[in-house]
Amino acid sequence: GIQVEQSPPDLILQEGANSTLRCNFSDSVNNLQWFHQNPWGQLINLFYIPSGTKQNGRLSATTVATERYSLLYISSSQTTDSGVYFCAVARARLTFGEGTQLTVNP
Amino acid sequence: DSGVTQTPKHLITATGQRVTLRCSPRSGDLSVYWYQQSLDQGLQFLIQYYNGEERAKGNILERFSAQQFPDLHSELNLSSLELGDSALYFCASSVGGVQPQHFGDGTRLSIL
Repeated sequence: GIQVEQSPPDLILQEGANSTLRCNFSDSVNNLQWFHQNPWGQLINLFYIPSGTKQNGRLSATTVATERYSLLYISSSQTTDSGVYFCAVARARLTFGEGTQLTVNP
Repeated sequence: DSGVTQTPKHLITATGQRVTLRCSPRSGDLSVYWYQQSLDQGLQFLIQYYNGEERAKGNILERFSAQQFPDLHSELNLSSLELGDSALYFCASSVGGVQPQHFGDGTRLSIL
């Protein structure tokens, strides 16, 4: 099956800092999604981005499908951004990476 | 709010018991997916239904079964529960095909 690797596994930031999270995948995919799992366990859909670039407020994402990676950018981070960020890719079913644990300190 | 409803939110039961988790997909979505999130296995795909028919199977144990009803809601049945079945179970739905999946808030299952 498809392998998904996320980096870094852990990230600690001060409020206001910017960060880049990376997702590498081992095969061509039809679907790529970024999720934020908040401290209550909810999986929040951030982006559906099998290719190209999208922006939503302080968050943006870029997927380079030909090179099999995706990047999630978080700018001016806030404490509410804390949680685990997952990349998930699919040809038929979603395969999740192990996530990046982000902690934003005030 | 994703539009996907899962009940119950929390479930506490004992080993050997059987439970049923319920999922109502977003309006208009024909595909329902079940995922398990445990501490040691991460987020894993269990099974997918499309318009009432099983479409794909992942790492689903034989003790687990699922179905999708004519009104498109789905149920995941877990039987002969073991301590290792304690996990967060998510349901997701999509229109079908290669479309984004939208996740419910999950059911947290604790086996004592």
